[in-house]
Amino acid sequence: AQKVTQAQTEISVVEKEDVTLDCVYETRDTTYYLFWYKQPPSGELVFLIRRNSFDEQNEISGRYSWNFQKSTSSFNFTITASQVVDSAVYFCALSEASGGSYIPTFGRGTSLIVHP
Amino acid sequence: KAGVTQTPRYLIKTRGQQVTLSCSPISGHRSVSWYQQTPGQGLQFLFEYFSETQRNKGNFPGRFSGRQFSNSRSEMNVSTLELGDSALYLCASATGTAGTTDTQYFGPGTRLTVL
Repeated sequence: AQKVTQAQTEISVVEKEDVTLDCVYETRDTTYYLFWYKQPPSGELVFLIRRNSFDEQNEISGRYSWNFQKSTSSFNFTITASQVVDSAVYFCALSEASGGSYIPTFGRGTSLIVHP
Repeated sequence: KAGVTQTPRYLIKTRGQQVTLSCSPISGHRSVSWYQQTPGQGLQFLFEYFSETQRNKGNFPGRFSGRQFSNSRSEMNVSTLELGDSALYLCASATGTAGTTDTQYFGPGTRLTVL
């Protein structure tokens, strides 16, 4: 069965600090997709990134970067120079693409609080 | 392009009643997925519809059902409501070519409270 672990329940930082959100996953499939979503207080999940299991290249988008390491089954998310607007709950998710299972699994989320 | 819309945004029901929630996907998207979010269980996948057919289903009792219309709009129904059904119900739309491995765009959710 697939599983996603976000061990950090809550992280508190001061504006301009860098912060890394951890995500560790378990799957038996060789083909799968990993996602990160942001959920601000309004409740709507906002898509941040989608990465397939065959692409281990790290990705950078502005202040956001992602580090995908299959060897450790991790897909970590770093925010550089955090801002108050980054305060939200961040979810990591896994969806398998083979074996007939298309049931996505979400981690429990990490609440990020950025203080001014 | 308009985003995913969900109606109603808030709903209060009593135990034993039934409820229907609606979701209109992004124009051109043919896949609609439903999720339940609760403090206790987190975010859980309910089901996915594509071209009016249920393509995938999570581990929820038969009281939870859904359907999709020819215009891709979707409804989910919960019958015989229980207190534990109180949750934020999120709908997500995607182009539909790759199931739930597609990039999904979420609506604002419907907050259901069961008294």
